[in-house]
Amino acid sequence: EPEVTQTPSHQVTQMGQEVILRCVPISNHLYFYWYRQILGQKVEFLVSFYNNEISEKSEIFDDQFSVERPDGSNFTLKIRSTKLEDSAMYFCASSQQGLQYFGPGTRLTVT
Amino acid sequence: ELKVEQNPLFLSMQEGKNYTIYCNYSTTSDRLYWYRQDPGKSLESLFVLLSNGAVKQEGRLMASLDTKARLSTLHITAAVHDLSATYFCAGDYNQGGKLIFGQGTELSVKP
Repeated sequence: EPEVTQTPSHQVTQMGQEVILRCVPISNHLYFYWYRQILGQKVEFLVSFYNNEISEKSEIFDDQFSVERPDGSNFTLKIRSTKLEDSAMYFCASSQQGLQYFGPGTRLTVT
Repeated sequence: ELKVEQNPLFLSMQEGKNYTIYCNYSTTSDRLYWYRQDPGKSLESLFVLLSNGAVKQEGRLMASLDTKARLSTLHITAAVHDLSATYFCAGDYNQGGKLIFGQGTELSVKP
């Protein structure tokens, strides 16, 4: 069964450093998303991406964040200058239209 | 803006008992989803509820949707330890749109 994959599974970085989180969505899906989950809290929407552009973004998704689909398969989330409060689990999801399938997540730890 | 609230947030059950998790949402939602999350893991889709009166069942879990009351329920029948996890409901505005998650219900099933 096709699945969403994410790399790395765990990333440790120092405050102020740039990180890139990578996702490979399910191949025939058209909609791509990033969500985050701070430990013990609910899942929060960051951004959605369709037709090679951002379709919606949340207040969390400020100028420090960017997304890209550099080729036909990868979907990346870049955080330009990480802060302590960016420490969270980041989930990528994809969908045809409707049900969103989630990847295994990348745990980002900012020290 | 759609708001989704679940209750209870924590639920400790004995094996063999029945219980219901409630999910209220504030405005019209096109669809209602239920996801399961095991500790440190990703979100696994359980149910997608599309219309008023929709009922779906899988094993010991049954989900229903009442769009007039803006309420979805996840009913657990004769709980077993394997059902221990956190359960999230989520709504969306439109196909391809962001998911708005509830806070999650942490279910613990004890022998």
